[in-house]
Amino acid sequence: DAGITQSPRYKITETGRQVTLMCHQTWSHSYMFWYRQDLGHGLRLIYYSAAADITDKGEVPDGYVVSRSKTENFPLTLESATRSQTSVYFCASRLDRDNQPQHFGDGTRLSIL
Amino acid sequence: KNEVEQSPQNLTAQEGEFITINCSYSVGISALHWLQQHPGGGIVSLFMLSSGKKKHGRLIATINIQEKHSSLHITASHPRDSAVYICAVDHTDKLIFGTGTRLQVFP
Repeated sequence: DAGITQSPRYKITETGRQVTLMCHQTWSHSYMFWYRQDLGHGLRLIYYSAAADITDKGEVPDGYVVSRSKTENFPLTLESATRSQTSVYFCASRLDRDNQPQHFGDGTRLSIL
Repeated sequence: KNEVEQSPQNLTAQEGEFITINCSYSVGISALHWLQQHPGGGIVSLFMLSSGKKKHGRLIATINIQEKHSSLHITASHPRDSAVYICAVDHTDKLIFGTGTRLQVFP
């Protein structure tokens, strides 16, 4: 019962580099989400997906790209990393549109030097 | 003004005390969630509720839809309850989060 897994758990990279954070869920949940968590801001939605091949912007999408070619995977790419993208990133999934609990991955701590 | 407000931001308690964390929201919702995050840890869903009251062990969550307010209570608090507690509301098909309440329980 793997649930929802994120990789890597920790990543250090340099400004301007491309980096991809992976998210995989084994429940066949329709909805998947990417959040960033920063001190003083709480959790903020970057992108979300209602199903394979359907993605939508959240509150803070600039500088990020997502794709969802398969239901179980929802990778998040920083095309040209900036220091302001240093954060803890959480992936989450839920079975359906609303009135369902969200299940969170363990997070990826990303540092951009 | 944030759509989801939590209070207090920080809370310190002695072991055994009764704890209350409050959450107010200003948007229409289909459900409200309480989440727990231990230091350096992942995020766990504690409750999802759309009316009334739910209880799980020493944790109780209530919601008043008319007043747009929810409370999370911890009875007989313990040091292992030390964590950040986050309120989130289901609005359209997304969650809107409060900034969390940091709870420290001392022995």
